[in-house]
Amino acid sequence: DIVLTQAPLSVSVTPGESASISCRSSKSLLSSKGITSLYWYLQRPGKSPQLLIYQMSNLASGVPDRFSSSGSETDFTLKISKVETEDVGVYYCGHRLEYPLTFGSGTKLEIK
Amino acid sequence: EVQLVESGGGLVQPGRSLKLSCVASGFTFSNYGMNWIRQAPGKGLEWVAYISSGSSYIYYAETVKGRFTISRDNAKNTLYLQMTSLRSEDTALYYCARHGEGPDYWGQGVMVTVSS
Repeated sequence: DIVLTQAPLSVSVTPGESASISCRSSKSLLSSKGITSLYWYLQRPGKSPQLLIYQMSNLASGVPDRFSSSGSETDFTLKISKVETEDVGVYYCGHRLEYPLTFGSGTKLEIK
Repeated sequence: EVQLVESGGGLVQPGRSLKLSCVASGFTFSNYGMNWIRQAPGKGLEWVAYISSGSSYIYYAETVKGRFTISRDNAKNTLYLQMTSLRSEDTALYYCARHGEGPDYWGQGVMVTVSS
């Protein structure tokens, strides 16, 4: 199974500052079709996960462009610019390269 | 607007069975694969099962293989998860999620508690 390792476990950010979250994969997430199968989700407190980023760097519908993602075949970074209070929650990376789908263990973002 | 509404959860004794449902609306259900993903209390996300749009391809997590069965009724826009031989470690919030760009849209979840 593909193991996704996230860091840090938690991050505390002042509103208006930036935050970065790392996700490392145990296997290349580059598919045979040339798509990097890495996804980012935000789970706000008490809510369902919400897709933020698909195929490593594409913003999902309705997601503000303060969110961005980049990476290689195995190392990825989610960046949140100008953090707002509504960004609080747990961020997960995930893949859909193969089954089983797996997710990182999550990074909790808090506001200072 | 895409909506996924799960139901069928509850408190069940170990070894018993339970069937979850997920009713979809706001998109053409028969065009999409679907997933069940669960989250134990205070824990992360664990993928459980996938079914393709026409039910030709089905995959399970090793932790549920042989005990859980995913199915769908495209005429009713409904996804199912039949769970048997339930264990305490199956206690979780179960989400159905559309398999679009990744699991993209998620329901609100339904709680399953396995306890005597």
